[in-house]
Amino acid sequence: AQSVAQPEDQVNVAEGNPLTVKCTYSVSGNPYLFWYVQYPNRGLQFLLKYITGDNLVKGSYGFEAEFNKSQTSFHLKKPSALVSDSALYFCAVRDIPRIRTGGSYIPTFGRGTSLIVHP
Amino acid sequence: DTGVSQNPRHKITKRGQNVTFRCDPISEHNRLYWYRQTLGQGPEFLTYFQNEAQLEKSRLLSDRFSAERPKGSFSTLEIQRTEQGDSAMYLCASSDAQYFGPGTRLTVL
Repeated sequence: AQSVAQPEDQVNVAEGNPLTVKCTYSVSGNPYLFWYVQYPNRGLQFLLKYITGDNLVKGSYGFEAEFNKSQTSFHLKKPSALVSDSALYFCAVRDIPRIRTGGSYIPTFGRGTSLIVHP
Repeated sequence: DTGVSQNPRHKITKRGQNVTFRCDPISEHNRLYWYRQTLGQGPEFLTYFQNEAQLEKSRLLSDRFSAERPKGSFSTLEIQRTEQGDSAMYLCASSDAQYFGPGTRLTVL
């Protein structure tokens, strides 16, 4: 079974300061990890993903995320927050399907973290 | 517009009525997903298609829910005999759930 935890319901940060939104995951095999942003009454917008390779993944709008296999984490980061970054952020995970170990093409989402950037 | 589209964007219905939602994925994507999202929660998986084949269904998908994807193109999600608990945002996504549509917000009175 696969699961995602976003331990913080809300993160508050001042504009211009660095931000981190935390995500930890559990999968039986190798993970395929995603971050999305959701603005009010809108669908989810893809920010970035990790499949393999460099542990630091760069995405849209200046966001990046660091894959840490030993800590099973995939925290979202941005060096300098903007007020317009205020939104709901979701982390998602799925197994990379393998013939011997199975896995699924279906991502599991966390509950979301509300990011509030203060002017 | 080459993104994922969903119609209608909003649906208000009375309890007991049937509703149908449509999703048009990005044309070259063969995987299509339906998720449901309620306030304060992340998207919950409902069902998944690869081309026209419905490969997985969540236990959340009661027998009142049915989804189709004829010819592997657009998909429809039908809810029969709607209940107030069905009120939610219904999201469609294509590829590896990387591309989401804007959602259909269902309100059951």
